[in-house]
Amino acid sequence: AQTVTQSQPEMSVQEAETVTLSCTYDTSESDYYLFWYKQPPSRQMILVIRQEAYKQQNATENRFSVNFQKAAKSFSLKISDSQLGDAAMYFCAYRLRAGKSTFGDGTTLTVKP
Amino acid sequence: DGGITQSPKYLFRKEGQNVTLSCEQNLNHDAMYWYRQDPGQGLRLIYYSQIVNDFQKGDIAEGYSVSREKKESFPLTVTSAQKNPTAFYLCASSSPGQGAKNEKLFFGSGTQLSVL
Repeated sequence: AQTVTQSQPEMSVQEAETVTLSCTYDTSESDYYLFWYKQPPSRQMILVIRQEAYKQQNATENRFSVNFQKAAKSFSLKISDSQLGDAAMYFCAYRLRAGKSTFGDGTTLTVKP
Repeated sequence: DGGITQSPKYLFRKEGQNVTLSCEQNLNHDAMYWYRQDPGQGLRLIYYSQIVNDFQKGDIAEGYSVSREKKESFPLTVTSAQKNPTAFYLCASSSPGQGAKNEKLFFGSGTQLSVL
């Protein structure tokens, strides 16, 4: 069974600074997707960024980027120029093509003004 | 506007009672999912359905039941056998195999279930 581990239950960052959230996963598959989802206080889950395992290039979405290390099974999220609105719980998720998603336990990010 | 609608937003269950959470989507997605979230924790899969009239148990299916009679609807029943039902329930959908952009999950806004 696939597992997803987020080793940082809580992180904090100063506004305008950069923070990196860690995620590792365990799988024997080679074709899969990795995601970072954000859950703000409203509790509505929002996709932040997505990485396809067969693509070597790291995904980037504006201030959000990932460091995908396939051999190490690591998928960290970097948030640059942190904003107060980035405060949320962040979940790393793994998904096989046309399969179910497995989520980590989440990292609560606090942004300090 | 396409999306997923969950209702009700808040639900209270009495001892020994079955309750049903509604989930409707108009995204024309084939796959639908139910997740449970406990405070400060991640999402755990209860049931999922890849196609109409078919569904599979997730990691914590005991005490829950589902049906998938229509593509748009995937209701979840929390039965009296579920002894600790208080949690936040999230419904999601996706169109796996329809292209990379559709591999992501689209979520509803959730239902908070509490026991009276």
